[in-house]
Amino acid sequence: EIVLTQSPGTLSLSLGERATLSCRASQTVASSYIAWYQQKPGQSPRLLIYGAFSRATDIPDRFSGSGSGTDFTLTISRLEPEDFAVYHCQHFGSSPPRTFGQGTRVEI
Amino acid sequence: EAQLVESGGGLVKPGGSLRVSCAASGFTFTSYTMSWVRQAPGKGLEWVSCINSNDNYIYYADSVRGRFTISRDNAKNSLYLQMNSLRAEDTAVYYCVRDGGWLLNAFDIWGQGTLVTVSS
Repeated sequence: EIVLTQSPGTLSLSLGERATLSCRASQTVASSYIAWYQQKPGQSPRLLIYGAFSRATDIPDRFSGSGSGTDFTLTISRLEPEDFAVYHCQHFGSSPPRTFGQGTRVEI
Repeated sequence: EAQLVESGGGLVKPGGSLRVSCAASGFTFTSYTMSWVRQAPGKGLEWVSCINSNDNYIYYADSVRGRFTISRDNAKNSLYLQMNSLRAEDTAVYYCVRDGGWLLNAFDIWGQGTLVTVSS
């Protein structure tokens, strides 16, 4: 079973700064199976990125995904107030389990 | 607009049972594999179980296999999770989620969640 490790646990940044979030897999995975979700306090998660690189519907272009092999990155180019949240990466895989990382909190 | 609405959460004693439900609307329910994902208080997301459109593809996380049963009623556009032999560590918000299919390989629609608390 693939294990995903996200780092850092918490990222403290200011408005307008660039955020770089890491997701490392325990073994090589296909990029097509990596997704990222945003979860604001008291809300359900929302799909941000699928296939490692593709933005989901209505996701602004300041969010971008990259990576391959075992190392994947979510980048927020310029933090807006609504971007302060927890971000989860996921390995969807060709079959279950659908593994999640432990999450990274982006805080002011 | 695609929407998922969970219900049935509550307080249950250890060893007890509970069934949570999910009502789907705004999309062709029969075309999608559906999953349950849970989140313990202050913790990350944990995939629990999934079921495909015609019930012949069902998977469970190791942590719930043998205790939880996923099912669906396509005529009612509904998804269910029967939870037996509940433990304190099953305490979580349970989300109903839609599998976006092979084009997305991601969960594209999430319900608002229903809280299950296992405590004496």
